[in-house]
Amino acid sequence: EPEVTQTPSHQVTQMGQEVILRCVPISNHLYFYWYRQILGQKVEFLVSFYNNEISEKSEIFDDQFSVERPDGSNFTLKIRSTKLEDSAMYFCASSGTGYYNEQFFGPGTRLTVL
Amino acid sequence: EDQVTQSPEALRLQEGESSSLNCSYTVSGLRGLFWYRQDPGKGPEFLFTLYSAGEEKEKERLKATLTKKESFLHITAPKPEDSATYLCAVASYGQNFVFGPGTRLSVLP
Repeated sequence: EPEVTQTPSHQVTQMGQEVILRCVPISNHLYFYWYRQILGQKVEFLVSFYNNEISEKSEIFDDQFSVERPDGSNFTLKIRSTKLEDSAMYFCASSGTGYYNEQFFGPGTRLTVL
Repeated sequence: EDQVTQSPEALRLQEGESSSLNCSYTVSGLRGLFWYRQDPGKGPEFLFTLYSAGEEKEKERLKATLTKKESFLHITAPKPEDSATYLCAVASYGQNFVFGPGTRLSVLP
């Protein structure tokens, strides 16, 4: 069964450093999303991506964040200068049938900022 | 501001003891209400999408229903493997996917 994959599973970084979180969505899916979940808190929407551009973004997704689909398979989230409060689980998701249809989530990347 | 709340916060059931989880929402222009299951340390697993009041969907022991202000996830004769956190999320016009805090379900053998 096809699945969304994410790498790395755990990333530890120093405050102020740049990190890139990688995702491989399900092949032939067209809609891509990033979410984050701070430990013990709600899942929060960050950004959605379709047709090689951002569709929607939340208030969390400020100038420190960027997304890219550098090739036909990868989907990346970059945080330019990490802060302590960026520590969270980051989930990538993809949907093949429509923006508001079922989303398949990856296993997540746990980001720890020291 | 759009809000999504879920109740109860936690629920313990005996195996076979049916119950319901609630998701209440206040949005302008619902585009979809989503139910997910999340196991500890893992990504949410899609269960259902509901689009309009009166809609119902079923999958094995789970049934989701939707009204104009809330959704219920009914669990019939649960098993221990149904233990997880159940998340509700809402998408609306001009507002993307807003998740509720979840209901932690424990099913005891």
